Amino acid sequence: DAKTTQPTSMDCAEGRAANLPCNHSTISGNEYVYWYRQIHSQGPQYIIHGLKNNETNEMASLIITEDRKSSTLILPHATLRDTAVYYCIVRDPYIFGTGTRLKVLA
Amino acid sequence: GAVVSQHPSWVICKSGTSVKIECRSLDFQATTMFWYRQFPKQSLMLMATSNEGSKATYEQGVEKDKFLINHASLTLSTLTVTSAHPEDSSFYICSARDPRQGYEQYFGPGTRLTVT
Repeated sequence: DAKTTQPTSMDCAEGRAANLPCNHSTISGNEYVYWYRQIHSQGPQYIIHGLKNNETNEMASLIITEDRKSSTLILPHATLRDTAVYYCIVRDPYIFGTGTRLKVLA
Repeated sequence: GAVVSQHPSWVICKSGTSVKIECRSLDFQATTMFWYRQFPKQSLMLMATSNEGSKATYEQGVEKDKFLINHASLTLSTLTVTSAHPEDSSFYICSARDPRQGYEQYFGPGTRLTVT
């Protein structure tokens, strides 16, 4: 049980913001939301995580709804190198769902 | 950030032989490491959780006698696939938790195993 639901795929124009949603309606009060991405044939790369508050780092921003049942990962200015499968995870140890396959278009 | 390496990056072995994959945390001590398997076009599946100095905890459906995990030091965990069969061909990925950072895991680059 992955405990998360994500769209299967999304396209985004290069230079535009990519907004990737994740539903985690059964999240527990002490469970963090983690985001990773996996480029083909590589290990997943950590992006960002959060508990309640919105978070921002050099890679992305994470917006978590007040009821914590969903979140959105924002890549502010997508580039071709951001093409990957993005995973939203809430359980520890991690259970990977199917993720969102983001394709950034030139 | 925390760096995790794996060796080898790819390996080809014959049916019936055993192969060992190493996972190292390069710049931190990892009390907990994890092993995943990923088949083509599928997501990562957790195989086992490895704690330094103790026996690994295997996920349901993963044969502990076939996938031997050893976590003898704070920077090294090994996965040995014993009596390999073609259906064991997969992408094996390890991860490690950096206790200085919290609960997030850092992943190795993966090992592509092909059993002929």
